[in-house]
Amino acid sequence: KQEVTQIPAALSVPEGENLVLNCSFTDSAIYNLQWFRQDPGKGLTSLLLIQSSQREQTSGRLNASLDKSSGRSTLYIAASQPGDSATYLCAVNEDSSYKLIFGSGTRLLVRP
Amino acid sequence: NAGVMQNPRHLVRRRGQEARLRCSPMKGHSHVYWYRQLPEEGLKFMVYLQKENIIDESGMPKERFSAEFPKEGPSILRIQQVVRGDSAAYFCASSPDFSGANVLTFGAGSRLTVL
Repeated sequence: KQEVTQIPAALSVPEGENLVLNCSFTDSAIYNLQWFRQDPGKGLTSLLLIQSSQREQTSGRLNASLDKSSGRSTLYIAASQPGDSATYLCAVNEDSSYKLIFGSGTRLLVRP
Repeated sequence: NAGVMQNPRHLVRRRGQEARLRCSPMKGHSHVYWYRQLPEEGLKFMVYLQKENIIDESGMPKERFSAEFPKEGPSILRIQQVVRGDSAAYFCASSPDFSGANVLTFGAGSRLTVL
């Protein structure tokens, strides 16, 4: 049974710092992996999606990497800003279906 | 484009009462998915519906929970005889067709508190 773990559960950093969020999954047979942002009282926003054949995806200050063999993904945020404060969720998709398997998230606080 | 609309945003119920959560999919979307997020946990898939059809309810608890997506109106997730363990955020997502998880659009969620 696929399990997704995110470490750390919470992170507080000063503005401007580069940071890495970690996601691990137990079964490497995945179709793709997504990183979402969850803001209080709002829905989930998809940030990056990495297909199983890809190593990384970039969008602005965000870079997500995928190492299927080791069951790991990282989300790198460069030059963090207070507006980056949110919960970041990692989710894997095993078979291109609608069923996403989520981690419990990392709560990020970027202090001004 | 209003996105996926969920209501109520917050719902408080006492044990034994019924909870009804509604979801209007994004315009042009005919597929609806419900996920549940228990406190300090990740979202977990519950059910996938198309108009008037339940396609996959493998994530739904066998008792007290039901879902529908009628020909007219929003999708409804119904929880009968709520218990404290039902307290969670319930998220609805929609997609235009069966395109896979990468095109799901999520709503803001409905937060159920059971006293």
